[in-house]
Amino acid sequence: EAQVTQNPRYLITVTGKKLTVTCSQNMNHEYMSWYRQDPGLGLRQIYYSMNVEVTDKGDVPEGYKVSRKEKRNFPLILESPSPNQTSLYFCASSPLDSRLGEQYFGPGTRLTVT
Amino acid sequence: AQSVAQPEDQVNVAEGNPLTVKCTYSVSGNPYLFWYVQYPNRGLQFLLKYITGDNLVKGSYGFEAEFNKSQTSFHLKKPSALVSDSALYFCAVRDALYNQGGKLIFGQGTELSVKP
Repeated sequence: EAQVTQNPRYLITVTGKKLTVTCSQNMNHEYMSWYRQDPGLGLRQIYYSMNVEVTDKGDVPEGYKVSRKEKRNFPLILESPSPNQTSLYFCASSPLDSRLGEQYFGPGTRLTVT
Repeated sequence: AQSVAQPEDQVNVAEGNPLTVKCTYSVSGNPYLFWYVQYPNRGLQFLLKYITGDNLVKGSYGFEAEFNKSQTSFHLKKPSALVSDSALYFCAVRDALYNQGGKLIFGQGTELSVKP
């Protein structure tokens, strides 16, 4: 089954404790992206990657890091989480050669930073 | 800058009645427009898109959307609502600039509630 998976689905942590949210897709997509969803703000892009070893900032990159060492994986790293990073996070992927097509989203990771 | 607005935080309709979820956009160049739906505790699911061509676009689950260039709108519609349509709906526009990689810019979302 074609899908985007994220782990963990739920995470409660404390300020300053490094964490990683994993994202993996099995569709051989070049383009991958991370969004955060906050009430009243919709989804905002954090980082994106157009292929292996090619990443760039989205609209709200502060406090986040990403890497793209393999085509299928695109982990999101919070080196020192803060309470304002409490949010619902989505990973998405799509083929690069059909940028006008839809993106496929993972199930989401609900992060709480206390 | 490109942007999307969904003027209603919540839409309430009775089952069997037609529904409309509104979306307006602001883009430079051609608009590439999308609707996604989010059910509770689930990721976003693609409903439909407008790239070019016919202004009336048909999508999944009986939904359709009408692209109106003069009003810069892309309203989502369904002739007869079901209770199972209750969910959070997002309108999005794709930033088609190459160096943006096709980023989606989302509206703030509209909660649709369909009552029996």
